[in-house]
Amino acid sequence: AQSVTQLDSQVPVFEEAPVELRCNYSSSVSVYLFWYVQYPNQGLQLLLKYLSGSTLVESINGFEAEFNKSQTSFHLRKPSVHISDTAEYFCAVSDPNTGNQFYFGTGTSLTVIP
Amino acid sequence: DTGVSQDPRHKITKRGQNVTFRCDPISEHNRLYWYRQTLGQGPEFLTYFQNEAQLEKSRLLSDRFSAERPKGSFSTLEIQRTEQGDSAMYLCASSSPTSGRRYEQYFGPGTRLTVT
Repeated sequence: AQSVTQLDSQVPVFEEAPVELRCNYSSSVSVYLFWYVQYPNQGLQLLLKYLSGSTLVESINGFEAEFNKSQTSFHLRKPSVHISDTAEYFCAVSDPNTGNQFYFGTGTSLTVIP
Repeated sequence: DTGVSQDPRHKITKRGQNVTFRCDPISEHNRLYWYRQTLGQGPEFLTYFQNEAQLEKSRLLSDRFSAERPKGSFSTLEIQRTEQGDSAMYLCASSSPTSGRRYEQYFGPGTRLTVT
């Protein structure tokens, strides 16, 4: 079975500072990778995904993530955070052959400090 | 497209009671998934349906849990003889393998179950 590790359970960062949320996965086969965001009292929303092609993927709100196969990582970054980015962020992987269940990490709580 | 909806949003029940949750997926999505999320953890896969067929079940889905999707549209998740360890957020997601976004799962707001 695949597994996902998010080492940082909480990340406080000042407004307009850069941030990186780390995600590592364990799989010897190809995977699809996702980042979801969960705002308070809301459901999970897809932030960005890597399926194939360019290893750097971007979201519409300034986040980006880079797939690194050799390090089995898919870290999420943003050069300048806003108060509205305060949320829980989950990394997930799935098997391209089935595309069925997602394996999620334990989440990283990002708190942007004014 | 109103997204995935779940009902109820919150449920408080006493240990030993049965509970049933409902999920309505995005209308054109033929795949439906159930996950469970406990405090401080990420969602854990429970089961998934393609149309009305239940194709995969996790070991987490004990015999007290049963899920149905009788007409390939909405789904229900029933927990019999609830235990305090069942307290969690139950998430539903849907996807469409035939669409351009077939590998994306769209999540509902969840049903928070508290067993007292």
